[in-house]
Amino acid sequence: SQKIEQNSEALNIQEGKTATLTCNYTNYSPAYLQWYRQDPGRGPVFLLLIRENEKEKRKERLKVTFDTTLKQSLFHITASQPADSATYLCALDENTGNQFYFGTGTSLTVIP
Amino acid sequence: NAGVTQTPKFQVLKTGQSMTLQCAQDMNHNSMYWYRQDPGMGLRLIYYSASEGTTDKGEVPNGYNVSRLNKREFSLRLESAAPSQTSVYFCASRGLGQGWTEAFFGQGTRLTVV
Repeated sequence: SQKIEQNSEALNIQEGKTATLTCNYTNYSPAYLQWYRQDPGRGPVFLLLIRENEKEKRKERLKVTFDTTLKQSLFHITASQPADSATYLCALDENTGNQFYFGTGTSLTVIP
Repeated sequence: NAGVTQTPKFQVLKTGQSMTLQCAQDMNHNSMYWYRQDPGMGLRLIYYSASEGTTDKGEVPNGYNVSRLNKREFSLRLESAAPSQTSVYFCASRGLGQGWTEAFFGQGTRLTVV
């Protein structure tokens, strides 16, 4: 069956450290992988998109890697801040259509 | 720009009642989506519409119907609500640039079926 799995437990890190979130997928062939942030009571907000032929993408303190051999994406937040505390979702786009599917999300708390 | 607007924000239904969730976007996007979000389950795709006049089932379509009324609007209907449909519902839209672009989400509709 198809699965998109993210860190199963909440992630707590100290302010200033690098947070690393994982997204592993099974039985998908994604053309694109996206990362979103979701705050309580709000809809997801787009952060980064990476294509299957790209290994890494950066935006300010954010970095995403995409390894189609390992079937995994890593999402890094460097110099983390309490304001980065939120749930982070990965989403996969396949080539076969324009639907996209989400992982279960990882709750990140940055401790001052 | 309003982006993606969903109505209502909150709703309580009795089992067996029907209702329609409304969604409108003002970004001229072709594609629109309905997701539901339950604790520990992430966002699950209910239905999507690649363009005006077309709709397709997602992962969890049972118990729902949709209508793509025009390019702006995509509604989700529950014909006979069940407690299992208690959830937060999100509408999203996105366009096609050089490949797929980011999706924009509404604020969500929190639905409780009693």
